[in-house]
Amino acid sequence: GQNIDQPTEMTATEGAIVQINCTYQTSGFNGLFWYQQHAGEAPTFLSYNVLDGLEEKGRFSSFLSRSKGYSYLLLKELQMKDSASYLCAVLDSNYQLIWGAGTKLIIKP
Amino acid sequence: GAVVSQHPSWVICKSGTSVKIECRSLDFQATTMFWYRQFPKQSLMLMATSNEGSKATYEQGVEKDKFLINHASLTLSTLTVTSAHPEDSSFYICSARGGLAEIFSYEQYFGPGTRLTVT
Repeated sequence: GQNIDQPTEMTATEGAIVQINCTYQTSGFNGLFWYQQHAGEAPTFLSYNVLDGLEEKGRFSSFLSRSKGYSYLLLKELQMKDSASYLCAVLDSNYQLIWGAGTKLIIKP
Repeated sequence: GAVVSQHPSWVICKSGTSVKIECRSLDFQATTMFWYRQFPKQSLMLMATSNEGSKATYEQGVEKDKFLINHASLTLSTLTVTSAHPEDSSFYICSARGGLAEIFSYEQYFGPGTRLTVT
């Protein structure tokens, strides 16, 4: 079956760095997405990785290792507004998005 | 670019009535649209995938006669919840894929969601 695992909840301090991990087992791989979703709102796109390595975009970076079926989202200089759920999703061989359950990130002052 | 709108943003209806939710891609042609449902504190659950001009493909466990999907044009898809019941109360989100995104990454652009409450 297809499976995406990410921690249910994480807590971090304002100004710090946090890494949210995602492991996946899917039928084929055509890329991995990270989305941010604030409570009561729709997801917004953060990043897309299809090749191994680190993609940096401002305070957010995303890493992918296809051989390990592993990705992480790194958030630096955390701000209170970063409190949200972070969803990992993999595009499988049929170009269907397989969603993780999401990681709720709580930022404390 | 790549804006998706949904209407209404929230709706309250009585049990047994039907509700229609519209999803529009405003500045691109959406060859594929997706409908999701999200219950509180849970992740997105894909309900169905629709391609313009063809019948929607429903996920296992989703009743196609209850959740009617129409993708009549490249910019509009509608979801009709027929004979709604309180257990249908949820956050319904559409997303659209098309244009350059489909070539480079298959990124989905999400609408803002519709909160449905059935009393």
